[in-house]
Amino acid sequence: EAAVTQSPRNKVAVTGGKVTLSCNQTNNHNNMYWYRQDTGHGLRLIHYSYGAGSTEKGDIPDGYKASRPSQENFSLILELATPSQTSVYFCASGGTGIEQYFGPGTRLTVL
Amino acid sequence: GEKVEQHESTLSVREGDSAVINCTYTDTASSYFPWYKQEAGKSLHFVIDIRSNVDRKQSQRLTVLLDKKAKRFSLHITATQPEDSAIYFCAATNSAGNKLTFGIGTRVLVRP
Repeated sequence: EAAVTQSPRNKVAVTGGKVTLSCNQTNNHNNMYWYRQDTGHGLRLIHYSYGAGSTEKGDIPDGYKASRPSQENFSLILELATPSQTSVYFCASGGTGIEQYFGPGTRLTVL
Repeated sequence: GEKVEQHESTLSVREGDSAVINCTYTDTASSYFPWYKQEAGKSLHFVIDIRSNVDRKQSQRLTVLLDKKAKRFSLHITATQPEDSAIYFCAATNSAGNKLTFGIGTRVLVRP
């Protein structure tokens, strides 16, 4: 069974603080994705990666950085968190022409 | 860029009836259209997809129809069951085939 895990599952951060969300996949997929889910917007792509060392901007990259140090790990970094980044964040692995496997999500609250 | 519009925000059906969710997309070069299901408090998982070389695909009680001319695709759920209650997301690839754009989701409620 394909597996994507995320940590932390819940996070409360202060405005201006740094937040790192981590994702690990054991699917051996080249592609990984970070999305955020907000009511009224569905899922929106923040950053994605084609493999270790690569990161690409998605549709809403402003305020976010990404890092892919290995095939298995993909991190999303908020250098200066803002309340507008309060959301549920999902990591996924897979492809655009094939099934994507989603992690359990991270609920981030920025106060 | 690609835009995907999901036309029904909520859908309430009686158990055993059919449910239909409609989506439209803007990029004529889109070639792959998956559907994902999100149960309450859980993550998303894949349910069915269709590629642009066919106009219909069925998997058990799920059928996806694709009308490339109208840039429209739809998910049909027959003989609905309580476990079909969830949010369903449609999605489409962009012309480069490297990103998925999702609709905003349709909440389906199956009433007993």
